[in-house]
Parts: sequence; C-alpha cells; structure tokens
Amino acid sequence: DVKVTQSSRYLVKRTGEKVFLECVQDMDHENMFWYRQDPGLGLRLIYFSYDVKMKEKGDIPEGYSVSREKKERFSLILESASTNQTSMYLCASTLTKVGSEQYFGPGTRLTVT
Amino acid sequence: GQQLNQSPQSMFIQEGEDVSMNCTSSSIFNTWLWYKQDPGEGPVLLIALYKAGELTSNGRLTAQFGITRKDSFLNISASIPSDVGIYFCAGFPSSGAGSYQLTFGKGTKLSVIP
Repeated sequence: DVKVTQSSRYLVKRTGEKVFLECVQDMDHENMFWYRQDPGLGLRLIYFSYDVKMKEKGDIPEGYSVSREKKERFSLILESASTNQTSMYLCASTLTKVGSEQYFGPGTRLTVT
Repeated sequence: GQQLNQSPQSMFIQEGEDVSMNCTSSSIFNTWLWYKQDPGEGPVLLIALYKAGELTSNGRLTAQFGITRKDSFLNISASIPSDVGIYFCAGFPSSGAGSYQLTFGKGTKLSVIP
C-alpha cells in the first residue's frame, strides 16, 4: 500500500509565525505535490517537485516555499503566516511525471489566528 | 488552469439505490482518476482509468473512460451509509503546459438516507 503521511493533522499558528508542514511518502515516488483545499475553490496546486532539490510553482505559490532535500520528504513552508492561509493542506505523490496515480496524505488543517 | 465540470454537485439518495455521476472536459484527457474524500480527511483513490472506453470496477464502484476522451463516469451500486462523502474526478490533459498537472472537478457531495 502506498503511504503518504503528514506531520500534523491540526495546527494553530499566529499571524507572522513561520510554519513548516512536512510530508513523507514511502513508495519511492518521483513526484510530490502540495495543494490547499478551500470550500468553493476546490483543490489548488501550490508547488510540486519532480526530483530532489527541484521545485516548480503551481497555481498559487505566493506566500509559500518548499524544500525537497530527500526523495521521500517534501516540506511546505509558510514564511510569515497570514489569516488567509487558513486552509486544509494536502500533500500527494506520484510514481512518474505524467499520467500516473496520485496518492494523497490525510491532510493538515491549519488555522492562522 | 483547466476545469473539469463535475455533476451533480450534490445528491441525496436512499440506501440501496444506485448512483451515477460524471465529469466532462472541453479537451482530451489521457488519464482519469476518481477519489472519495471524507470530512477532514485526504482524498482516497478509488479507480484509475488509462484508455478510452475502459471500464473498471472496484467492489460496488464502476468507472468508465469516455470514448471521446473528454468525459468519465462513476457509478455506485446499492449504496450504503458509508458511501457518504465527496467524490472527485481528476485527470491529466493530453497536451499543453498542464498535461503534467492533475486537473480536478469540484466534487459531488453524496448523502445517503438510511
């Protein structure tokens, strides 16, 4: 079974704090993704990575950065959290670049106050 | 980016009924994926489709990759209360800059009345 894990299920942070969300996959997948999910807006891609130390911007990268130092781990960083970053954050991974099954983690519900 | 049109947006059905939902696009897709998401959880992959016309089952769930490659369908037979959740379609477009990024539908919220 593919397993994607995320470091926290729930987080509450204050405005201006630096926030780290960690994701780990155990299937040796090449590609990893960070999404946020908001009511009425669906899933939106923040950043993705096709290889170690490689990253590409998704549709909504502003206010976020990422790090992929090891193949199995992909971190999302909020440099200075703001209330409009309150959301459900979902990590995902796929084996190959195009057309393969994408597996999601359980999600992190982040609240910024 | 691209959008997938998923319908219906929500459904209320009696336990034991069959359910159908679909996803359409204005462009051709190479892969269709169907997910289920429970409240507060991440989406769980139900079925993956890779060829036009392909029909794949997973228990009481059956999904089809449309012949035109612009649509996909998900059917649930004999619904039970644990089928409640939001069902998403997703796909990889066949070409263009977005062909390596998964495109999602907005979801179908299914409620099952016991």
